[in-house]
Amino acid sequence: GAGVSQSPSNKVTEKGKDVELRCDPISGHTALYWYRQSLGQGLEFLIYFQGNSAPDKSGLPSDRFSAERTGGSVSTLTIQRTQQEDSAVYLCASSLLASGLAGSYEQYFGPGTRLTVT
Amino acid sequence: TQLLEQSPQFLSIQEGENLTVYCNSSSVFSSLQWYRQEPGEGPVLLVTVVTGGEVKKLKRLTFQFGDARKDSSLHITAAQPGDTGLYLCAPRYSSASKIIFGSGTRLSIRP
Repeated sequence: GAGVSQSPSNKVTEKGKDVELRCDPISGHTALYWYRQSLGQGLEFLIYFQGNSAPDKSGLPSDRFSAERTGGSVSTLTIQRTQQEDSAVYLCASSLLASGLAGSYEQYFGPGTRLTVT
Repeated sequence: TQLLEQSPQFLSIQEGENLTVYCNSSSVFSSLQWYRQEPGEGPVLLVTVVTGGEVKKLKRLTFQFGDARKDSSLHITAAQPGDTGLYLCAPRYSSASKIIFGSGTRLSIRP
């Protein structure tokens, strides 16, 4: 596609339920990132993928959070047993590479998934 | 551990005024990007600076990378309501590392 897409755009779930958030990166981009943004705040890094592997999972806030990427393309972020503090906008971004020279690692963001846990 | 600070956190000014926002780190950057995020959307890249002392202009926006490569500034001339948004700086501390996002400056321009 022309840009990064995320689905769903909005998700309301009850506390304790599991949710899956999906990200479709730009075709050909090998790096994919997940961030969380609480209301009025900056971006909190969660995890990034280079291909299908995740070299850096340091931002995942707890073991309730997990992510996978298959075929070097689509990624799914799963939150198990959701809590109210998980409510936020979850942003996905992709880049040509994860590192290297300028021009290769600029991140292109999707519109985000707004998650509300009631 | 690198400390990254953006200032001010919030800025509200009248249309037509000039403003400067800052990004400061305790460690040297390899390179730095500025992004702008409008409400309900993801951040969009504005510029990448890679050379100490570098100045880049994008219409009414002027980006400067400090000589010591530990700071950067964004200056907007004659601000317009369309400049409203969250401005994020995103440095890389080495060519092999991922970029880190600052907490941002939330800019509001009053008509």
